[in-house]
Amino acid sequence: NAGVTQTPKFRILKIGQSMTLQCAQDMNHNYMYWYRQDPGMGLKLIYYSVGAGITDKGEVPNGYNVSRSTTEDFPLRLELAAPSQTSVYFCASSYSGDRVRNTIYFGEGSWLTVV
Amino acid sequence: SQELEQSPQSLIVQEGKNLTINCTSSKTLYGLYWYKQKYGEGLIFLMMLQKGGEEKSHEKITAKLDEKKQQSSLHITASQPSHAGIYLCGADDAGGTSYGKLTFGQGTILTVHP
Repeated sequence: NAGVTQTPKFRILKIGQSMTLQCAQDMNHNYMYWYRQDPGMGLKLIYYSVGAGITDKGEVPNGYNVSRSTTEDFPLRLELAAPSQTSVYFCASSYSGDRVRNTIYFGEGSWLTVV
Repeated sequence: SQELEQSPQSLIVQEGKNLTINCTSSKTLYGLYWYKQKYGEGLIFLMMLQKGGEEKSHEKITAKLDEKKQQSSLHITASQPSHAGIYLCGADDAGGTSYGKLTFGQGTILTVHP
């Protein structure tokens, strides 16, 4: 069982370039999330999705876009990369938003550097 | 918005020692999650607490949510080098469905010397 898979693991971008971070889960989870983690800081929610075709902004959505065309995939698009987007990005998923059944599983992270 | 403060920010202990990490919230906690993170790896789910006074254990790690539901503690008994890593608390502050959106503390870096 692969769980939550993120690609790429490492990437260096030049300022102004664009890229997509891929995220896939094989647990048939309805909810998916993208977080970023800056050094010495906790994770901050960028976007989340409660099902295919439904996405919503989190705490720090500026500079990012997402789509959810299938249950399994939740790509994060960075448009016009800026140094402030240098961070570690984590994708996560859960079966539902119900707290009782809601173990949130995280991918291994994608390290992005914008130079 | 909810804020979580973890203490200490870093901790160095000798193998075999007990230790405690605290997570204090600015609001009532309805769901408190503990994760462990190792460099280069994702977050590993440890446990989730949602009721005041609730206590859960997994191997040598015990987590509690206080009665007033604004603080949680993570206690490791007889620490081992394998316990080293970053411990993160995450919480949702919604009384109802939060859609799994979590606010995280800044993390506690644990080093265990053999």
